Amino acid sequence: AQKITQTQPGMFVQEKEAVTLDCTYDTSDQSYGLFWYKQPSSGEMIFLIYQGSYDEQNATEGRYSLNFQKARKSANLVISASQLGDSAMYFCAMRGGYSTLTFGKGTMLLVSP
Amino acid sequence: GAVVSQHPSRVICKSGTSVKIECRSLDFQATTMFWYRQFPKQSLMLMATSNEGSKATYEQGVEKDKFLINHASLTLSTLTVTSAHPEDSSFYICSVHSGGASDTQYFGPGTRLTVL
Repeated sequence: AQKITQTQPGMFVQEKEAVTLDCTYDTSDQSYGLFWYKQPSSGEMIFLIYQGSYDEQNATEGRYSLNFQKARKSANLVISASQLGDSAMYFCAMRGGYSTLTFGKGTMLLVSP
Repeated sequence: GAVVSQHPSRVICKSGTSVKIECRSLDFQATTMFWYRQFPKQSLMLMATSNEGSKATYEQGVEKDKFLINHASLTLSTLTVTSAHPEDSSFYICSVHSGGASDTQYFGPGTRLTVL
């Protein structure tokens, strides 16, 4: 069985600062994928970044980067230069069998001016 | 990524009625779509995997007679909540997966169901 753990229910950051959202995972699979999604108050799930278990380099997408530490089974999301529009719920997820996703409980990020 | 739409975005119905939610893949032929449910301030829970031309695969604990899924074409899957009750009130969201190395799932905007 796969499990995703996000231990931070809420995080606060000031505009223009960087923030790290934590995610740890557990799986017995050798090949897996890790994802981060953003869910603003409107409810839609916005794909941010993907990391494959065999990828040697950490994934980056613009202001988003994924700090992948395979031995520690962690896949933390780093958002650089936070913006007010980054305020949202953030979910870490893992791809399992039959392409299904298992989600963590999420972290609410609030960016203040 | 794939563009996914859902209709309606919001629905309010009386207890005992049935509600149909449509999920459309607008630019991608999706042999598989996924249906999730999200209660307020909680995470997404996979309800079922919708397979084009065949029966859906339901997750443990999801009543298949309660949540009817039809995937009649490569661009449309429907979820029907039959005989809805207030406890079925939730946010329902569908997704398609891109295949390939990342096999990323792209989500629709969701449907908020309120059963009175």
